[in-house]
Amino acid sequence: ETGVTQTPRHLVMGMTNKKSLKCEQHLGHNAMYWYKQSAKKPLELMFVYNFKEQTENNSVPSRFSPECPNSSHLFLHLHTLQPEDSALYLCASSQQTSGKNNEQFFGPGTRLTVL
Amino acid sequence: SQQGEEDPQALSIQEGENATMNCSYKTSINNLQWYRQNSGRGLVHLILIRSNEREKHSGRLRVTLDTSKKSSSLLITASRAADTASYFCATADPYNQGGKLIFGQGTELSVKP
Repeated sequence: ETGVTQTPRHLVMGMTNKKSLKCEQHLGHNAMYWYKQSAKKPLELMFVYNFKEQTENNSVPSRFSPECPNSSHLFLHLHTLQPEDSALYLCASSQQTSGKNNEQFFGPGTRLTVL
Repeated sequence: SQQGEEDPQALSIQEGENATMNCSYKTSINNLQWYRQNSGRGLVHLILIRSNEREKHSGRLRVTLDTSKKSSSLLITASRAADTASYFCATADPYNQGGKLIFGQGTELSVKP
């Protein structure tokens, strides 16, 4: 257990559905992250939140909409996704975003399949 | 361009042997981190080495960093079947305050009992 939980663990959705991924961290960290991991590709950073403020949007399509109501919770709202969006979506948190101690703690991921 | 690149992409060894994985990167860094990922799971942070450090140990793990060559290596000694996983290096840009870690594609390690 890393102190970061994600729900659901598996999600199958159609291209017209709307769903949300949830992440919660119990570590008292100030920064939270969404990553996408596709087969045979490096981990792709999607969004970064620091003290609830979005500090990075890595050119992510608008069909992915993040929400960070507080430093412990992070959501990823999904709508009108494409089959190529099928991937493992990982949430992570860290004490801070910069400096020398920015190691990240990851959740178990949500395996998303878009039909 | 990709920051961290691991070498080899796949490594298969017998239990008890040592496993060495390498990582190369392109720009200056604040620190370099190694992570492990079991199949279909989240990443687990293994070790962080700062840019002013050359070597670091943690249990059976040994990490080296050569900033002049922009490379790092992860050595796992006396490997066990449970070490089977993918291993990633990640680098932090000292000029990026946004928290961006750049991950390599990883080395898939298979330790056969």
